[in-house]
Amino acid sequence: QKEVEQNSGPLSVPEGAIASLNCTYSDRGSQSFFWYRQYSGKSPELIMSIYSNGDKEDGRFTAQLNKASQYVSLLIRDSQPSDSATYLCAVIRLTGGGNKLTFGTGTQLKVEL
Amino acid sequence: DAGITQSPRYKITETGRQVTLMCHQTWSHSYMFWYRQDLGHGLRLIYYSAAADITDKGEVPDGYVVSRSKTENFPLTLESATRSQTSVYFCASRGTSGALLNNEQFFGPGTRLTVL
Repeated sequence: QKEVEQNSGPLSVPEGAIASLNCTYSDRGSQSFFWYRQYSGKSPELIMSIYSNGDKEDGRFTAQLNKASQYVSLLIRDSQPSDSATYLCAVIRLTGGGNKLTFGTGTQLKVEL
Repeated sequence: DAGITQSPRYKITETGRQVTLMCHQTWSHSYMFWYRQDLGHGLRLIYYSAAADITDKGEVPDGYVVSRSKTENFPLTLESATRSQTSVYFCASRGTSGALLNNEQFFGPGTRLTVL
C-alpha cells in the first residue's frame, strides 16, 4: 500500500464545473496535508494546506480533511482551463521525523471548454 | 533575483560520469531538499538538510551525495551516473519561522537530467 494514494486520472470536467480531487493516506499519525499544483514541465507550487478536520476555503479552492477516514480532498469551483494541471497531495508523517513531505503520484486535471 | 534557482536546467551525460546539480536559495531558509520526479513514482525525496553541515537520507539516496557548507547552497552529486538516474530533479527549501507543521516548501525550476 502506498503511503499517499491518488487516482492518476485524467479527470476531465467542463469549464465552470466543480472539480473534486481525492487523496488517501496510510499513516494515521500524519498531521499536515498539502495540495500542490504542477503545470506540465514546471515545478510544483503550493495552493492549499490543511491541518484540522473539516473544510478550509481559499478563493475557488476548498480543502477537506477527514482524519478518521484518512482522506483529504481538494475542490475547485468554477473550474477554468488554466486549472488544467497535475495536482499533488502531500502529507507530513510523524514517524521518521526530519520534517519531510511524502507525495502522492498526482491527479491530472483537464478542464474542457 | 530572490528565490530558489537550479543549474543546469538541462544536462545530458554518459553512464559512469560524475554530475553535480546545483541549488541556490536567497531566503536563508534552514531546510533544503532534493527530489526526483519520475512517471509512476511521483516526487521522491533523495536527501535533505536541516541546516549547514547537517544532511540526512531520504527515500532514495543510493548513488547520490550531498553537501551543505553554506546555508544558501545544496549541491547534489551523482558520483557515477546510471541510466536509472535519468529523471527530473527538483530542489526545495523551507524556512523555520511559524509552526513546525506549516511545512510550506518552495520548489526550484528543476533540472532535467538524461544519462545515456
